[in-house]
Amino acid sequence: AQSVTQLDSQVPVFEEAPVELRCNYSSSVSVYLFWYVQYPNQGLQLLLKYLSGSTLVKGINGFEAEFNKSQTSFHLRKPSVHISDTAEYFCAVRRGGSQGNLIFGKGTKLSVKP
Amino acid sequence: KAGVTQTPRYLIKTRGQQVTLSCSPISGHRSVSWYQQTPGQGLQFLFEYFSETQRNKGNFPGRFSGRQFSNSRSEMNVSTLELGDSALYLCASSLEGPTIHFGPGTRLTVT
Repeated sequence: AQSVTQLDSQVPVFEEAPVELRCNYSSSVSVYLFWYVQYPNQGLQLLLKYLSGSTLVKGINGFEAEFNKSQTSFHLRKPSVHISDTAEYFCAVRRGGSQGNLIFGKGTKLSVKP
Repeated sequence: KAGVTQTPRYLIKTRGQQVTLSCSPISGHRSVSWYQQTPGQGLQFLFEYFSETQRNKGNFPGRFSGRQFSNSRSEMNVSTLELGDSALYLCASSLEGPTIHFGPGTRLTVT
């Protein structure tokens, strides 16, 4: 079975500062990895995904994430955040090579202050 | 291409009633799945349909059911509503691949 741990439930940061949201996963099989963002009163929007290949993946809105197989991590980073990045971010895994469902972490609320 | 659409967006029901939520996937997507989001339990998988057949099911009681039509549109039904069923219900669709796209959700409040 797979599981996802998002190490920080809340991350406050000042505008234009860098940010890292941490995600660790547990799985005995290969997985696909995803980051989704949820703005207030909205659904989930796909930020980026790791399926295979290069371990550094770039997504929308200037976000990127690095897949580290040895540390079973998939941390999300942005070099300079904006007020509009304030939202909740979810890390998710999906079993590779099958049609299994997404398993989500508990989410990290990013709060960007002026 | 239009995204995943869900209707209604908001719903208020009374305990004991039943409710039906509707989802239209992205055009061409044949897989539709449903997730429940609550503050306490987070995001949990309900079920997935592909070509009108339930392909995968989460750990929810039988009060939660779904179906998929030949045009890939899907509905989920919750019977005998309980207060704990208050949640954001998210529908998602995908092609035959790993990436899943979500709709805006239906906010269900049970009083």
